[in-house]
Amino acid sequence: DADVTQTPRNRITKTGKRIMLECSQTKGHDRMYWYRQDPGLGLQLIYYSFDVKDINKGEISDGYSVSRQAQAKFSLSLESAIPNQTALYFCATSEAGGTDTQYFGPGTRLTVL
Amino acid sequence: AQTVTQSQPEMSVQEAETVTLSCTYDTSENNYYLFWYKQPPSRQMILVIRQEAYKQQNATENRFSVNFQKAAKSFSLKISDSQLGDTAMYFCAFMKGETSGSRLTFGEGTQLTVNP
Repeated sequence: DADVTQTPRNRITKTGKRIMLECSQTKGHDRMYWYRQDPGLGLQLIYYSFDVKDINKGEISDGYSVSRQAQAKFSLSLESAIPNQTALYFCATSEAGGTDTQYFGPGTRLTVL
Repeated sequence: AQTVTQSQPEMSVQEAETVTLSCTYDTSENNYYLFWYKQPPSRQMILVIRQEAYKQQNATENRFSVNFQKAAKSFSLKISDSQLGDTAMYFCAFMKGETSGSRLTFGEGTQLTVNP
């Protein structure tokens, strides 16, 4: 089984709808991240969390919110989706005090019409 | 702020040959990490290799090796004996080496195609 899972893998929604992307991990890592990838570009950091009580904004947090429900779960929400949020979304994890290497989930392709 | 630049949007190589992907970065930090990630058509982000800035020795992982030039802020990836399965987008990434931070800054990627 995959260490980092994301649901759904693909989602099509309409402008103005609220949508939640979920990430779960079995690696036992404390740190979790949400990234966004636009076509032809690298990944940009949306939010990150170093433990259940710690949430931090990344480079492009506007229009997004997150919830760290447990060490293993980190959800990303779009309160009112807009078309320019159409992108590939990745969750990642890393071990606190470890090698700092981040391990990525398989990604969620989100389309906002 | 850190920036990462990959100046080669696309590259191609023949199977079994060697190819080098370029990456430069800009930072005022002295302690940091550099990574190469691979994204095949399956879109999964896969770690290829990792380099600590304090280490002078270049990292190697089987057919993958890096040429890390700290003074020049250059971090190139060499793929030897290229295989069809190496076809992917390759991203160079930077991370500051601070205890409270593990944020990756990515370049825009290089699409590598390995031809039979």
